[in-house]
Amino acid sequence: DAGVTQSPTHLIKTRGQQVTLRCSPKSGHDTVSWYQQALGQGPQFIFQYYEEEERQRGNFPDRFSGHQFPNYSSELNVNALLLGDSALYLCASSSGWERSEAFFGQGTRLTVV
Amino acid sequence: GESVGLHLPTLSVQEGDNSIINCAYSNSASDYFIWYKQESGKGPQFIIDIRSNMDKRQGQRVTVLLNKTVKHLSLQIAATQPGDSAVYFCAENVPGYSTLTFGKGTMLLVSP
Repeated sequence: DAGVTQSPTHLIKTRGQQVTLRCSPKSGHDTVSWYQQALGQGPQFIFQYYEEEERQRGNFPDRFSGHQFPNYSSELNVNALLLGDSALYLCASSSGWERSEAFFGQGTRLTVV
Repeated sequence: GESVGLHLPTLSVQEGDNSIINCAYSNSASDYFIWYKQESGKGPQFIIDIRSNMDKRQGQRVTVLLNKTVKHLSLQIAATQPGDSAVYFCAENVPGYSTLTFGKGTMLLVSP
């Protein structure tokens, strides 16, 4: 049983560009959450998707958007990249809208130059 | 805003010792707490969780203690091994939200 998988593992983009990160949840999970982790910090919640809708959102600008597909996989899009967007982007999956154990993927390391 | 914090940024122990990692939380509404282990280049790995109706929960070599009176959480690792070396995060959750608020983390270094 594959856990949470994310792609790509590493990515380098230029300031001003757009990026799309992808996540496949653990089998049986239908809820996907995205987190941003700056170097030396704990993960910060970006948003969460359930039933193909954004259910909760953290304190991130509209440049950060997402999508969830019928197979529960999800994408995170970031427009007009800034140097400060350089971070590890983590996807976590869980089951249902209510709280449950969240499993994290290995993350996508995004570097903006 | 309220957030989860840790007392010690780095903890160095010898192999075989018991380790204790501490965490203070300030959101009194939080009622679910999780400890995660994150190794270099990897995502956070679930270790153990505890709900606010409990004071203690044990797993394999790990124990989480919750003191709601002083809003303190701790992770105890018995017989610490070099493979336990990682950054440990506590995370909290409030009712009605399935998202997690993480602290900054504690680096655990285990010497052979």
